[in-house]
Amino acid sequence: EAGVAQSPRYKIIEKRQSVAFWCNPISGHATLYWYQQILGQGPKLLIQFQNNGVVDDSQLPKDRFSAERLKGVDSTLKIQPAKLEDSAVYLCASSSPKTGPNTGELFFGEGSRLTVL
Amino acid sequence: AQSVTQPDIHITVSEGASLELRCNYSYGATPYLFWYVQSPGQGLQLLLKYFSGDTLVQGIKGFEAEFKRSQSSFNLRKPSVHWSDAAEYFCAVGPNKLVFGAGTILRVKS
Repeated sequence: EAGVAQSPRYKIIEKRQSVAFWCNPISGHATLYWYQQILGQGPKLLIQFQNNGVVDDSQLPKDRFSAERLKGVDSTLKIQPAKLEDSAVYLCASSSPKTGPNTGELFFGEGSRLTVL
Repeated sequence: AQSVTQPDIHITVSEGASLELRCNYSYGATPYLFWYVQSPGQGLQLLLKYFSGDTLVQGIKGFEAEFKRSQSSFNLRKPSVHWSDAAEYFCAVGPNKLVFGAGTILRVKS
């Protein structure tokens, strides 16, 4: 079974530029998550999708971050304009319908590392 | 609000020695508890989980953890560490929004 795919793996941009990250979850996983992991910290949930609907985006900085999952499969996370403090690894995860979206059994991608200069 | 504390930022153990990583949580109801491991450049992988029942849970790679409600703890243990166990370990509490601790970096001395 293929895992969670993310791209790009690495991105370097200057502040005020924009960037987009793509995620393709495990086939059949209806729930998709974007986490932000700042160096030295644990992952923090940015947004959770159930199919193509948003379940939780309470910690998403909506003035600069946006995310979509138009067809209920893959997803894009965008940052515009980027700030220095957005430097982090952006992790995408999905969860199995067998265990349900709220059990915490998540399957993570390898992450996209963003450096903002 | 739920939270997780991992008191140790770094731990170094000798190969073959035993390991215990500490985790304390705060949650208003019965928690779902998890340990995830992250190797350099990799995503997080689930080691083990506790939902209910037996408070000693077994996971992959020879790891186990014990849920102690009275101490609000869920410490991770392994009787004999291998060099390949060097990684960062995250404790997390759920259900619903999964909240992670800041992680403990494990170094293994040969």
